[in-house]
Amino acid sequence: GENVEQHPSTLSVQEGDSAVIKCTYSDSASNYFPWYKQELGKRPQLIIDIRSNVGEKKDQRIAVTLNKTAKHFSLHITETQPEDSAVYFCAAIPDRGSTLGRLYFGRGTQLTVWP
Amino acid sequence: KAGVTQTPRYLIKTRGQQVTLSCSPISGHRSVSWYQQTPGQGLQFLFEYFSETQRNKGNFPGRFSGRQFSNSRSEMNVSTLELGDSALYLCASSWRESSGTYEQYFGPGTRLTVT
Repeated sequence: GENVEQHPSTLSVQEGDSAVIKCTYSDSASNYFPWYKQELGKRPQLIIDIRSNVGEKKDQRIAVTLNKTAKHFSLHITETQPEDSAVYFCAAIPDRGSTLGRLYFGRGTQLTVWP
Repeated sequence: KAGVTQTPRYLIKTRGQQVTLSCSPISGHRSVSWYQQTPGQGLQFLFEYFSETQRNKGNFPGRFSGRQFSNSRSEMNVSTLELGDSALYLCASSWRESSGTYEQYFGPGTRLTVT
């Protein structure tokens, strides 16, 4: 099955700096890559996603890039704020022509933004 | 659209007991996945149900089981509870089209404590 690796496991940045989290995947059939943010004690929330026919997607301070050839995708957060502190999970789902919904998750990155 | 709901939100059980958790997906979503989350262990996939059938299963012992009803609501059961089963159990409902459109959202989780 699909294997998603995520790095780094922890990331500390100063408020205002940028943060980058990287993920690699193994299954070339994967075509949908969401990112989830999980604040302490809360559920994972979808913050941005990208599909394989797109190389980059932006939403305000958050952007995701995808390199299908290299099988990696990254989350970029600019102008970080303390409220960005959370665990971030990347995920991938292979397209095998079915309607199955299992996402394959990375192990998560604990982002801490210091004021 | 109502979100994913899970009941109960908190549960305390003793070793050897069994427990049943419930998940109601977003209306129209036919796939339900279950995850176990313990500190530092990320999101461990338990199983996925689609149209009342288990379609994917993670690497958990047979004490963990589940089912899905015709209205897409799902339950998971853990028998002979162990201390290590203490965790946040997350349910996710998803919807996918063969065209590639996909979405998955998490419920608030059930916090299970085994004493």
